[in-house]
Amino acid sequence: DAGITQSPRHKVTETGTPVTLRCHQTENHRYMYWYRQDPGHGLRLIHYSYGVKDTDKGEVSDGYSVSRSKTEDFLLTLESATSSQTSVYFCAISEDRAEETQYFGPGTRLLVL
Amino acid sequence: AQSVAQPEDQVNVAEGNPLTVKCTYSVSGNPYLFWYVQYPNRGLQFLLKYITGDNLVKGSYGFEAEFNKSQTSFHLKKPSALVSDSALYFCAVRGLKLIFGAGTRLAVHP
Repeated sequence: DAGITQSPRHKVTETGTPVTLRCHQTENHRYMYWYRQDPGHGLRLIHYSYGVKDTDKGEVSDGYSVSRSKTEDFLLTLESATSSQTSVYFCAISEDRAEETQYFGPGTRLLVL
Repeated sequence: AQSVAQPEDQVNVAEGNPLTVKCTYSVSGNPYLFWYVQYPNRGLQFLLKYITGDNLVKGSYGFEAEFNKSQTSFHLKKPSALVSDSALYFCAVRGLKLIFGAGTRLAVHP
């Protein structure tokens, strides 16, 4: 999985609690992305980062925030988890955005009860 | 608007037969097109991409894809399917952002 780790790999939480997912890369790639995967929707972009402290929204960013204080780490936070945020979350990285070959982490399976 | 469609939810193929997984796209300007594969409980793995040049692109594990500009298609192909090819396949197109199709499940039967 191209030097990308995600933690935790599985999490069960309750509605209304905050949740933070971590993505860590050892490739020194500039761009990092968070996606969610749901049946029938493929992968949808939540947020992405194009450098330390530089982030932007994707197509499904409501209810999520991100932070990137170091090149290697990209955090996704659900401030107050809802059942609709039950999903599998993938982090991805890319070196050159023009070519946009993204490499994916192993995923985090989140269940919000 | 930018979009990508995978018209088949599932494709069933007998081992040893050729396989095709279909993808059509809509994007302004020249497209960057990608295929990824996902095995159970794993992240997506890059298979191949088309940026420019030869319309037939060769990728990992014996897969190839044909870019057809007039039909706005980028179908994934393999001459002889293996049971181990059974997985979920995603087509993606890069316009302003990378957009993924909903995925096609490939089932190769012995």
